[in-house]
Amino acid sequence: EIVLTQSPGTLSLSPGERATLFCRASQTVSSSHLAWYQQKPGQPPRLLIYGASSRATGIPDRFSGSGSGTDFTLTISRLEPEDFAVYYCHQYANSPLTFGGGTKVETK
Amino acid sequence: QVQLQESGPGLVKPSETLSLICSVSGGSISGFYWSWIRQSPRKGWEWIGYIYGSGGANYNPSLKNRVDISVDMSKNQLSLKLRSVTAADTAVYYCARLGSSGWVDNWGQGTLVTVSS
Repeated sequence: EIVLTQSPGTLSLSPGERATLFCRASQTVSSSHLAWYQQKPGQPPRLLIYGASSRATGIPDRFSGSGSGTDFTLTISRLEPEDFAVYYCHQYANSPLTFGGGTKVETK
Repeated sequence: QVQLQESGPGLVKPSETLSLICSVSGGSISGFYWSWIRQSPRKGWEWIGYIYGSGGANYNPSLKNRVDISVDMSKNQLSLKLRSVTAADTAVYYCARLGSSGWVDNWGQGTLVTVSS
């Protein structure tokens, strides 16, 4: 099973700042089959990025994903008020599919 | 836009079977992979399994002996049965549609299932 470790656990930032979130896999995620989701309280997750770097439909270009192999990054270039939420990475290269523990982006 | 809606009992007794239905509207259930995923404060996210149309299912080995996922094409519904539940199965259960390579491109709203006597 591929274990995904996200860091930091919490990111305290102000609107307008840049957010950099990390996801490290315990083994290579083949074909960059890694996705990122945003989740707000009481809501299901929303797909942001798939294939490590492809933005999902309707996702603003301030969200970008990068990385390959075992190290992946989600960057939010300039935080908007609606971006404060929890973010999860997810690998779908190997069964069982697995998720990271999440990074909470909170207002400083 | 396809919409997914989970339904089923919110409370299940230990050792009994948890049964949920996911109704799919705005699109056909055929031609896609469908999955059940759960989220709990204790364990975080846990993928339960997925199924393609009315084909065979692929389950998380940690749950394989207790779970069944099936599709009813005539009703455009996905179902989940989890047997012999314990308190550790308490979670929000989501049904989800998978994209072409396996990411989740559509989520249901989720339903909280509590296992308690």
